[in-house]
Amino acid sequence: KNEVEQSPQNLTAQEGEFITINCSYSVGISALHWLQQHPGGGIVSLFMLSSGKKKHGRLIATINIQEKHSSLHITASHPRDSAVYICAVQANSKLTFGKGITLSVRP
Amino acid sequence: DTGVSQDPRHKITKRGQNVTFRCDPISEHNRLYWYRQTLGQGPEFLTYFQNEAQLEKSRLLSDRFSAERPKGSFSTLEIQRTEQGDSAMYLCASSERPGATSGANVLTFGAGSRLTVL
Repeated sequence: KNEVEQSPQNLTAQEGEFITINCSYSVGISALHWLQQHPGGGIVSLFMLSSGKKKHGRLIATINIQEKHSSLHITASHPRDSAVYICAVQANSKLTFGKGITLSVRP
Repeated sequence: DTGVSQDPRHKITKRGQNVTFRCDPISEHNRLYWYRQTLGQGPEFLTYFQNEAQLEKSRLLSDRFSAERPKGSFSTLEIQRTEQGDSAMYLCASSERPGATSGANVLTFGAGSRLTVL
């Protein structure tokens, strides 16, 4: 079993839909990161959180430390949100990444 | 450009050749990480530095791989006697140390160096 599991594996949505991407992990962590990767490789850090909830624009990230679970929500999705969304957990200084979810938002 | 720079962006080489990648982190970041990513997979940790000290190496990093950060600024990742299985995107990221003034410890990634071994 991978230390970081993401679901669903792939996701297609219609523009405007509310999207939720989930991440479950099995190890103790100091923080959890949500990252966005566009075709061509560039990775952008969206959130780093260790408790509660963070919001940035149309993106919301939540984490439940007891349940070892985090969610990334995208409100009013847009085709430019199409990307791979990767969850990574941090223990000390080491990051362990999930495989990522490929999100495609259709106009 | 104040981001993380990686060079070269693409490298095609023949099996058995040596290759070297360079990463220039954000100047005030003292932590530097190397990751490897293959198609359809998330990045895998290779190694990280705090300043010039290499603090952790993954078991993925065989003897053919070596990384340095001699002055605590830029870093190089060298792969000797490349194999086809080394073909991947090699990603570099940097961050401040935990507890730094920004409190962010947020990773900033470079665009990556894609290696193709023929």
